[in-house]
Amino acid sequence: AQRVTQPEKLLSVFKGAPVELKCNYSYSGSPELFWYVQYSRQRLQLLLRHISRESIKGFTADLNKGETSFHLKKPFAQEEDSAMYYCALMGFGNEKLTFGTGTRLTIIP
Amino acid sequence: KAGVTQTPRYLIKTRGQQVTLSCSPISGHRSVSWYQQTPGQGLQFLFEYFSETQRNKGNFPGRFSGRQFSNSRSEMNVSTLELGDSALYLCASSLTGYTGELFFGEGSRLTVL
Repeated sequence: AQRVTQPEKLLSVFKGAPVELKCNYSYSGSPELFWYVQYSRQRLQLLLRHISRESIKGFTADLNKGETSFHLKKPFAQEEDSAMYYCALMGFGNEKLTFGTGTRLTIIP
Repeated sequence: KAGVTQTPRYLIKTRGQQVTLSCSPISGHRSVSWYQQTPGQGLQFLFEYFSETQRNKGNFPGRFSGRQFSNSRSEMNVSTLELGDSALYLCASSLTGYTGELFFGEGSRLTVL
């Protein structure tokens, strides 16, 4: 079974402060991990995936297999980062993407 | 390229009725997935179709069904509606379904009275 846990439903951070959105997963094999984001009145969209190891909009995420975590980080929060963030997992050879329950990030000006 | 299109966007039904939701994927995408989104449960996987075949199914009762047509358009059907079926139903398409990069529609918001 595959499971994704996002322990924080809500997170408020001051503009310019660092952001960390937590994500832990449970999966017996080698998973692929993703972060999806939904801005206000927009569609859910892919933010980044661990295999590409890239920074998108200043966000990065490192897969830690030992701690089974995939936390999303940004060193300096911006107001436009306010959104709903979902961590998601796909098992190898599996067409099913399992989402966490999401964290609503609010950046305080 | 046009994005994923879902119809209808909003609908209201009463308990016991049935509903059909439609999804047109991005041109060239052959995989279509359906998710149910509720405030309490978040995004829950319903099923995934590729080339008219259901490849994966979530833990939903048999009242939830779907299909995919040869042009990759997909429909999902919920029969004998219950109050708890009230939710936003999201459709997502991808090229193959194996990349994890899903393109979502705006959703169909179903209210069951």
